[in-house]
Amino acid sequence: NAGVTQTPKFQVLKTGQSMTLQCAQDMNHEYMSWYRQDPGMGLRLIHYSVGAGITDQGEVPNGYNVSRSTTEDFPLRLLSAAPSQTSVYFCASSSYSPGTANTEAFFGQGTRLTVV
Amino acid sequence: AQRVTQPEKLLSVFKGAPVELKCNYSYSGSPELFWYVQYSRQRLQLLLRHISRESIKGFTADLNKGETSFHLKKPFAQEEDSAMYYCALSTQGGSEKLVFGKGTKLTVNP
Repeated sequence: NAGVTQTPKFQVLKTGQSMTLQCAQDMNHEYMSWYRQDPGMGLRLIHYSVGAGITDQGEVPNGYNVSRSTTEDFPLRLLSAAPSQTSVYFCASSSYSPGTANTEAFFGQGTRLTVV
Repeated sequence: AQRVTQPEKLLSVFKGAPVELKCNYSYSGSPELFWYVQYSRQRLQLLLRHISRESIKGFTADLNKGETSFHLKKPFAQEEDSAMYYCALSTQGGSEKLVFGKGTKLTVNP
C-alpha cells in the first residue's frame, strides 16, 4: 500500500532551470493537490485537481504549472526556477466529497527543493 | 478570506502534564476543521476531525463556534506526542483546499 508517492525527495536547481516534481497515488482518489511549506508559513496550496483533465489554482500558483491526464498522477512543473521557490513541496490526495467531512487528505513524504 | 491561527510556534511540557494546542480560525460560514500531525521523519497525517467527535491517541478537540476556536487537548502528555501539529480548515466540506495554520512544535520532556 504505497499511498501517495513523490519523487524526487531532494533536488537542487540553478536559477532559471525547469523541472517536474512527480506525484502518484494508488487509492483512486479524485482530488489531488500540491502544497508548499516554508519556515514559519505552514502549508500553502499551489494547485489542485478534482479529477482527470480538471485543474485549478490555489493560493500561490505563480511560477508553477500542473496537468492531470490520469487519476493517478499529478505532476508539478517549475517553469523557470527562482530562489523564492526554495521550499518543501507536498502532494496530497483525498476522495472528492464536498460536504462530507469524513474524508482524509493523504500526504506524500515531501520533496525538498533548493534553488541556487 | 479564511485564516487559521496557531499562536504558539513552540510548546514544551513535561511528561504527564496536560497539553493544549491552540487554534483559532476566521471564516464566515460553517467550516470543517482538522488537526494534522507530523512526527519526526514521517509524513503529515490526519490526527482527528471535528465532525467525528473522536478521541485519537488521547487527544480531543472541540469546535467552539462562538470563540471560533478548535483547540487540541490531552490530559496527560507522552514523550511520543512530540511532533509538529497543524490545524487546518476546509470550506468545501471535505478535505479539499485545506487552509493550514503555521503549526505548533510540541516537545514533551521526560
